[in-house]
Amino acid sequence: AQTVTQSQPEMSVQEAETVTLSCTYDTSESDYYLFWYKQPPSRQMILVIRQEAYKQQNATENRFSVNFQKAAKSFSLKISDSQLGDAAMYFCAYRSAKYGGSQGNLIFGKGTKLSVKP
Amino acid sequence: DSGVTQTPKHLITATGQRVTLRCSPRSGDLSVYWYQQSLDQGLQFLIQYYNGEERAKGNILERFSAQQFPDLHSELNLSSLELGDSALYFCASSVDGTGIDEQFFGPGTRLTVL
Repeated sequence: AQTVTQSQPEMSVQEAETVTLSCTYDTSESDYYLFWYKQPPSRQMILVIRQEAYKQQNATENRFSVNFQKAAKSFSLKISDSQLGDAAMYFCAYRSAKYGGSQGNLIFGKGTKLSVKP
Repeated sequence: DSGVTQTPKHLITATGQRVTLRCSPRSGDLSVYWYQQSLDQGLQFLIQYYNGEERAKGNILERFSAQQFPDLHSELNLSSLELGDSALYFCASSVDGTGIDEQFFGPGTRLTVL
C-alpha cells in the first residue's frame, strides 16, 4: 500500500520569504501522480500544484514550485515570496495511475500547518 | 467556488442515529469521491463512484454506504453513528477519475455526533 509522509507538522515563514514543505512517499508503482493541496481556515481544499511521475521537469505554478525526486520518493513544495494568504494547512497527496482498483482516489499525508508572519 | 455543492454544511446528531450527506458534482463530472477528515485519522478516502457505479472502496465502515444517482449526485449514508464518526466529510468530483484530472472538492459537511 502506498503511504505519504509529511514530517513537519508546523512551519513558519516571514512574509516575502521562501519556505519549503517536505513530503516523502512510498510506492512500488512506477506511474503515479503527486499533488499539493491547500486547506485554509475556511476548510476548502484547493489544489496548488500537481506533478506526473513520468515527467522529469518540476511543476511550477506562479510562486509555487516543486522539487520532485523520483528515486528518493521525495516531493517538496517551495513557496516563494510568501504572502499572508498562504497561511493554511498543506497536504501532500499521491494518486495511482493504474487503471482499476484504487485508481482515482487520493492518499494524503497528515499535513503541515504553515504560518506566515507579517 | 469549486462548483461542487454539499448539503448540509453542518449536522449535529446523537449516537445511534442515521444521517445522509448529499453531494452534487460539477457540471460534466462523472466521478464522485467521498473523503473523511478527522483529527485522529487525517484525510481518508472512503469511496468512489463513476457514472453511477462503484469504482473504488477505501476505509469505509460497514455502517456507511453511498450511491450515485442517474443525475450524478451522490449520497453518503452513515448509520448507527458513534462519537468517533464526528468529522468533516468531503465530496470531490472529477471528469472521469482517470489520469491526472483534477479532483474538485466541495466545502464539506461538518458532522458532530453527541
